[in-house]
Amino acid sequence: NAGVTQTPKFQVLKTGQSMTLQCAQDMNHNSMYWYRQDPGMGLRLIYYSASEGTTDKGEVPNGYNVSRLNKREFSLRLESAAPSQTSVYFCASSEGRLADTQYFGPGTRLTVL
Amino acid sequence: DQQVKQNSPSLSVQEGRISILNCDYTNSMFDYFLWYKKYPAEGPTFLISISSIKDKNEDGRFTVFLNKSAKHLSLHIVPSQPGDSAVYFCAAISANQGGKLIFGQGTELSVKP
Repeated sequence: NAGVTQTPKFQVLKTGQSMTLQCAQDMNHNSMYWYRQDPGMGLRLIYYSASEGTTDKGEVPNGYNVSRLNKREFSLRLESAAPSQTSVYFCASSEGRLADTQYFGPGTRLTVL
Repeated sequence: DQQVKQNSPSLSVQEGRISILNCDYTNSMFDYFLWYKKYPAEGPTFLISISSIKDKNEDGRFTVFLNKSAKHLSLHIVPSQPGDSAVYFCAAISANQGGKLIFGQGTELSVKP
């Protein structure tokens, strides 16, 4: 099992460009999540999908959109990138019950110039 | 409004000694508390958790203590090993907040040989 995979690993964008971060899990998990990690801020939830077909905003959703393509895949889109979106992005998945372990991908390091 | 706080950005400990990582929280409705460990260029991995109805949970060298009256929890690692060097995130979860994980800022532990 690969667990949670993310592509790309690194990306540099110019302000105003768009891109989609891809995430897939092979653990048949119901819930999937997108976080961003910034220095001194810990991990902050951007969006999550409790189950296939549903998505909800997290703590910092502005500037992002998500798609739960199927049970395996959950993508994060930046429509018009801004320097404030420079961060490391992590995708995670879990069974979906309260306090279930979340399994994280290796992250995508995004720089917006 | 930081609901989960780790006030020590870094901690340095000698190999074989005890490492104590601290975490404070403000929301008395949290149901579970979790610790995640993160190595550079990798995603966080689950380490240990504790339910709000308990005051201690132990797993090998790792013990988490919860003091609900003080809204404080701590992670003890005994004995510390160089491979424990990583960033440790405290996180909390509450059913009445949709089961979303709220992370602290992280503490970077360095265990010196």
